[in-house]
Amino acid sequence: DTGVSQDPRHKITKRGQNVTFRCDPISEHNRLYWYRQTLGQGPEFLTYFQNEAQLEKSRLLSDRFSAERPKGSFSTLEIQRTEQGDSAMYLCASSLPETPGGYTFGSGTRLTVV
Amino acid sequence: QKEVEQNSGPLSVPEGAIASLNCTYSDRGSQSFFWYRQYSGKSPELIMFIYSNGDKEDGRFTAQLNKASQYVSLLIRDSQPSDSATYLCAAPPIFGTGTLLAVQP
Repeated sequence: DTGVSQDPRHKITKRGQNVTFRCDPISEHNRLYWYRQTLGQGPEFLTYFQNEAQLEKSRLLSDRFSAERPKGSFSTLEIQRTEQGDSAMYLCASSLPETPGGYTFGSGTRLTVV
Repeated sequence: QKEVEQNSGPLSVPEGAIASLNCTYSDRGSQSFFWYRQYSGKSPELIMFIYSNGDKEDGRFTAQLNKASQYVSLLIRDSQPSDSATYLCAAPPIFGTGTLLAVQP
């Protein structure tokens, strides 16, 4: 197992376009989290899954954001009608159920909206 | 709104000194607290976690928790230039903004 994988590493998109990111967690980790991070800030919580169930979603998260984890393995994060303010690093993390805050982070997807 | 507060720094310490990083949290229901290190351009990596009041030591790192004061700290003994990074405190799933530590040779 090579850790948490995220794809793509970089994405440049025009304002108004939709984008989708993928995360493959560590196989034995049943919890999966999505965060967004901008320069000089800590990771901002977006949503998390336990197996295929989406258990929590940040109130700050716009309706343009949606995430899925259909078979309890990989997850996708979609942003519709992107805005310049969506430009950030999108981080995925996974954890074991017995250490829910002990995350292993992926390398992230850097989104630039032009 | 659950919050985790950290001083953004930078905190500058000489090599070999003790670096003290602090964090407060707003949710009294939080049970566990985690410290992550993030090098520039990299993803956060877990250093250690603490659940119980008091101190927990792991090598050069000591985490301290005071639930009555809603206060968490991380001490780094014998600081090295390689410890220079941003240190993130988390009361999962909420992270603080991080404290930038600079260890001067």
